[in-house]
Order: sequence, then structure tokens, then C-alpha cells
Amino acid sequence: AQTVTQSQPEMSVQEAETVTLSCTYDTSENNYYLFWYKQPPSRQMILVIRQEAYKQQNATENRFSVNFQKAAKSFSLEISDSQLGDTAMYFCAFREDSGGGADGLTFGKGTHLIIQP
Amino acid sequence: NAGVMQNPRHLVRRRGQEARLRCSPMKGHSHVYWYRQLPEEGLKFMVYLQKENIIDESGMPKERFSAEFPKEGPSILRIQQVVRGDSAAYFCASSPAPGARDRTDTQYFGPGTRLTVL
Repeated sequence: AQTVTQSQPEMSVQEAETVTLSCTYDTSENNYYLFWYKQPPSRQMILVIRQEAYKQQNATENRFSVNFQKAAKSFSLEISDSQLGDTAMYFCAFREDSGGGADGLTFGKGTHLIIQP
Repeated sequence: NAGVMQNPRHLVRRRGQEARLRCSPMKGHSHVYWYRQLPEEGLKFMVYLQKENIIDESGMPKERFSAEFPKEGPSILRIQQVVRGDSAAYFCASSPAPGARDRTDTQYFGPGTRLTVL
């Protein structure tokens, strides 16, 4: 069974700083997908960024980028020029690529990120 | 282009009653997933359905919980004889079918239904 670990329950940074959220996972699979989701106080789950394991290039989406280290099974999220609206719970998630269909996501317990003005 | 719709957003039930949670996937999506989020926890996978088929229910409690995704209409998560421990946020997500143009198989989430059992 896959597990996803987020070792930082809470982080707090000043507005405009860069922050890195860590995530490690455990799997015996070679093909899989990794995701970061954001859950603001509204509790809506919002996709932030996605990485396919077979791609060596790290994914980027505007101010959000990942550092994907497949051998180390590490998938950290970097948020640059942080903004007050980035305050939220951030969840790392894993999904196998079973080839024939889609599978349920395995989530970490989340990191509560607070951006201070 | 409407996203994943869930209703109701809030549901209050007394112990022993039934709870019915509805989910309409994004247009063009044929896969539906249900997740449960307990307070201060991440989401836990419950069940994965395609139209008229349950594909994976490995995360579903064996008793009192059932799910369906009929040919017409929304997917339904049904909880019979609710207990206080069922109080949680229940999220639905949808994704396109494998082989669809969007091959990322990314799951897009609805706003969730918060169930409170008194």
C-alpha cells in the first residue's frame, strides 16, 4: 500500500517570501502521478500542480513549482512571492498509473500554511 | 463549464437516520470518486465508480455505506443508520475516461458535503 507523509503540520511565513512544503511517499510502483491540492477555509479542494513520475522535468505553474526526486521519493512544493491568498491547508497526493483505468488518490495529512502580512 | 456539483452542502441527521449525498461530475467525465475527510485529517478514498459499475470500493466501510452511479442522474453516496462517527466532510471528484483527450486523469473535486450527526 502507498503512503504519503507530510512532516510539517504547520508553517508560517511573511508575505512575498518563498516557502517550501515537504512531501515524501512510499511505493513499489514505477509509474504514478503526484499532486498538490490546496484547501482554503472554504474547504474546496483546488488542484495546484501535478507531476507525472515518468517526466524528469519538474512541473511549474506560475508561482508554484515542485522539486521531484524520484529516487528519494520526495515531492516538495515551492511557492514563490507568497500572497495572503495562499493561506490554506496543502495536501500532497499520490495515484498509481494502473494503465487500464484510474485509481483513488492517497493523501498526506496536510500542512497548514499561514502567510503573514 | 460547470465543475463538480455536490448537494446538499450541509446535512444534519440524527443518529439512526439515513443520509444521501449527491454528486454530479464535470461534463464529459465518466469516473466518480468519493472521499471522506475527518476533522484535522487528509482525505481518505472510499469508492470509485463508472456509470452503472463499482470499480473499487476498497475504502468503503463494509456496513451501512453504499454508492451508486446510475446511467442517468448523479452519483449517490448513501449512509444508513448514521452514527456520530460518520460526521465528516464527504468529497466527490470526477475525472475523464482513460483514453480521453485529457490523459492526465486528474481528479477535480466538488465543494463537499458536511455531514453532522446529532
